Order: sequence, then C-alpha cells, then structure tokens
Amino acid sequence: AQKITQTQPGMFVQEKEAVTLDCTYDTSDPSYGLFWYKQPSSGEMIFLIYQGSYDQQNATEGRYSLNFQKARKSANLVISASQLGDSAMYFCAMTFSGGYNKLIFGAGTRLAVHP
Amino acid sequence: DVKVTQSSRYLVKRTGEKVFLECVQDMDHENMFWYRQDPGLGLRLIYFSYDVKMKEKGDIPEGYSVSREKKERFSLILESASTNQTSMYLCASSSRQGRNTIYFGEGSWLTVV
Repeated sequence: AQKITQTQPGMFVQEKEAVTLDCTYDTSDPSYGLFWYKQPSSGEMIFLIYQGSYDQQNATEGRYSLNFQKARKSANLVISASQLGDSAMYFCAMTFSGGYNKLIFGAGTRLAVHP
Repeated sequence: DVKVTQSSRYLVKRTGEKVFLECVQDMDHENMFWYRQDPGLGLRLIYFSYDVKMKEKGDIPEGYSVSREKKERFSLILESASTNQTSMYLCASSSRQGRNTIYFGEGSWLTVV
C-alpha cells in the first residue's frame, strides 16, 4: 500500500529565508508521481510542483524546488526567499500506476512566514 | 482556463437530511474524485469515477454514495447526514493520460448540526 508521511505539523520561517518541508513516501510501485500542493485559508488546492519517479532531475518551478531522493523515498519541498503570502497548509501527495490518478495525501504542514 | 466547479462553498444541514454536493468540470476529463479533508488527516478519498456511470470506493466510503450520469458532473450524496460528516469536501478531476493533470475545485465546507 502507498503511504505519505509529513512529520512537521507546523513550521515557521522568517520572510526572505528558505524553508524545507519534509515528505517521505512508501510504495513498492516503480512508477509513481509526487506532488506538492498549497492550500491557503480560502481552501483551494493550488498545485505547486510535480516529480515523476523516473525523472532524473529534481523538479523546479520558480521559487519551489523538489529535493527528490529516490533511495531514501524522500520528496522534500524547498521554498526559497519566503514571502508572507506563502503562509498556508502544504500537502505532499502521490499517484501510482494503475491508480486512475488517485492521490494519496500526507497530513500536511502548516507554514507560517513571519515578517 | 481549466475549471472544476463545486456548487456550494458553505452548507449547513441538519442531522438526517439528504445532502447533495455537486461538482462539474469543463475539461472533458474521464476521472473524477471526491475527497474529504479533516485536520491532521490530510485529504482522504471517498469515491472516484473513471467513466460515466462507473464508480469505485475510496478509503472512506461509508455513509456516502456518488452519481455520475454525465461525464462532466460527479455528485456526492450523503443519504442521512450525521455530525461526524462535518468536514471540508474537495472534488477533483483528471485526464486518463498523464500523471500531472489533476485539478481541484474550491472546496465545500459542510456543517451538520
């Protein structure tokens, strides 16, 4: 069975600093996808970044990068130069082959950016 | 612009009422999903559908049913609402092809009193 673990219920960071949100996953499927979503207080799920299990390079999208360590089954999100608007819940999630793109989610990390 | 629309953002219902949560997507996606979100638990899959009239149970289907009569519409039904179904409900859709094609609605906050 697939599982996503986010061990940090809450994190805080100073504005303009970088922050790493942890995510580990468990699957025996060799083909899978890893996602990070941001959820502000309004409730919408905002897609941030995607990493396929066969992708050789770590994914990057603007200030977001995914530190993909396949052997350790880790997919940490790095946010560089934090902004006040980054304060939100962050979810790590995965899909797997044959899963119809069902997402398995972690419990989430609440990030607070302080001025 | 891609769109997944959930009909109601905020609902308050009484225990025992039948509740319908509607979700419509305009991307001709084959797959549609209903998730429930609770603090500390993340999002959990209630039901999903991979084609019209096809449905599969997710991880927490008890107390829920779904309907997909048209490709663009996926409805979540609470036959007899209970207070433990107070939660945030999120609909999503995706194409059959490609992993990175998953889109979410804005969420429906349901309170059962």
